[in-house]
Amino acid sequence: NAGVMQNPRHLVRRRGQEARLRCSPMKGHSHVYWYRQLPEEGLKFMVYLQKENIIDESGMPKERFSAEFPKEGPSILRIQQVVRGDSAAYFCASSPTRGETGELFFGEGSRLTVL
Amino acid sequence: DQQVKQNSPSLSVQEGRISILNCDYTNSMFDYFLWYKKYPAEGPTFLISISSIKDKNEDGRFTVFLNKSAKHLSLHIVPSQPGDSAVYFCAAKGGSNYKLTFGKGTLLTVNP
Repeated sequence: NAGVMQNPRHLVRRRGQEARLRCSPMKGHSHVYWYRQLPEEGLKFMVYLQKENIIDESGMPKERFSAEFPKEGPSILRIQQVVRGDSAAYFCASSPTRGETGELFFGEGSRLTVL
Repeated sequence: DQQVKQNSPSLSVQEGRISILNCDYTNSMFDYFLWYKKYPAEGPTFLISISSIKDKNEDGRFTVFLNKSAKHLSLHIVPSQPGDSAVYFCAAKGGSNYKLTFGKGTLLTVNP
């Protein structure tokens, strides 16, 4: 499958635990974006990364959330000490360039449920 | 502050008829407008886009119209097919900014 791969597809965590979501971009894409979709809402930008660099994390909550895109391996979105309000679908997208036209390739999403 | 608004949460049309999905925006700096289609339990997929310097873009059964003075765009699907049933998101980006601002989506149901 040459598309954007996300795992896990579903993740259940209890309040206070950590959640790690992984994303492998499409082959040849070095630009990765994370978006979050809360229930009944549109997707909201969280962070934009290139290999080993965070370009823009202006959409990330100030605490508990972090993202990385190492030289080797997938991009990871990490949520520490999860709370019920973190329950959402988290979508990763990639693009071959900086996304000037807005056309992004999305993965199927990781659905986080916090009990 | 919702910069991209889709005021119709849902739309139902008969197969073969035209589907018209609407979107309004407030930010004059947006330079690209896009429509994404999303099936349940899947990620959004790019459908069609339009640059702010154009007023129409057509791709097969899908046409997007942009009215800059009214800050309004619409997606026309003709003829509609049952496989078009999905949530359609309107999105916009501004200038050199790569961030997409999404509307809340419209659930389109095409009845056979």
